[in-house]
Amino acid sequence: KAGVTQTPRYLIKTRGQQVTLSCSPISGHRSVSWYQQTPGQGLQFLFEYFSETQRNKGNFPGRFSGRQFSNSRSEMNVSTLELGDSALYLCASSWGPGQGLTGELFFGEGSRLTVL
Amino acid sequence: AQSVTQLDSQVPVFEEAPVELRCNYSSSVSVYLFWYVQYPNQGLQLLLKYLSGSTLVKGINGFEAEFNKSQTSFHLRKPSVHISDTAEYFCAVSNNNDMRFGAGTRLTVKP
Repeated sequence: KAGVTQTPRYLIKTRGQQVTLSCSPISGHRSVSWYQQTPGQGLQFLFEYFSETQRNKGNFPGRFSGRQFSNSRSEMNVSTLELGDSALYLCASSWGPGQGLTGELFFGEGSRLTVL
Repeated sequence: AQSVTQLDSQVPVFEEAPVELRCNYSSSVSVYLFWYVQYPNQGLQLLLKYLSGSTLVKGINGFEAEFNKSQTSFHLRKPSVHISDTAEYFCAVSNNNDMRFGAGTRLTVKP
């Protein structure tokens, strides 16, 4: 059974650009959550999608957005990139709504974004 | 809202020694507790979880944790560590709607 797949794994952008990251959840999982991981802030929750609807959102500016498609695949977009957006972006999937509803989130390996 | 504090940012230990990684949480409602491990250049992997029942929880790779409601703690332990246990460990708390992670503890096992 394939795990959570995130693309691209690595990317470099410059300030002011925008970026789109993709996440394919485990087959059958309908919930996708996104996290930002940085050395200083640790893991910060961005948002969660379930059945194409944003169910929960963390404390991030509007430059961070996401969506989920009917096949449960999700994308997140960051516009007008800033140096501080450099981070590892992790996607996690689960069976149902709510983070940890079934007691486990399944994480992808992440997309490492560097903003120059 | 719930929050998690991991009391040690780094824990160095020699191979075959015991280790304890400390985690305290705060929440006004009942919570579920988790420990995740992150190996270099990988995502997070679940080590163990407490949802209800026995307060001593056993996980993968010989790890265990004990839920202590009065002390609001969920410390992770292993009686004898291996070099391969070197990784970042995250404690997490969920109220079934919102999962929050601690800042992480970097465990370094030395030969």
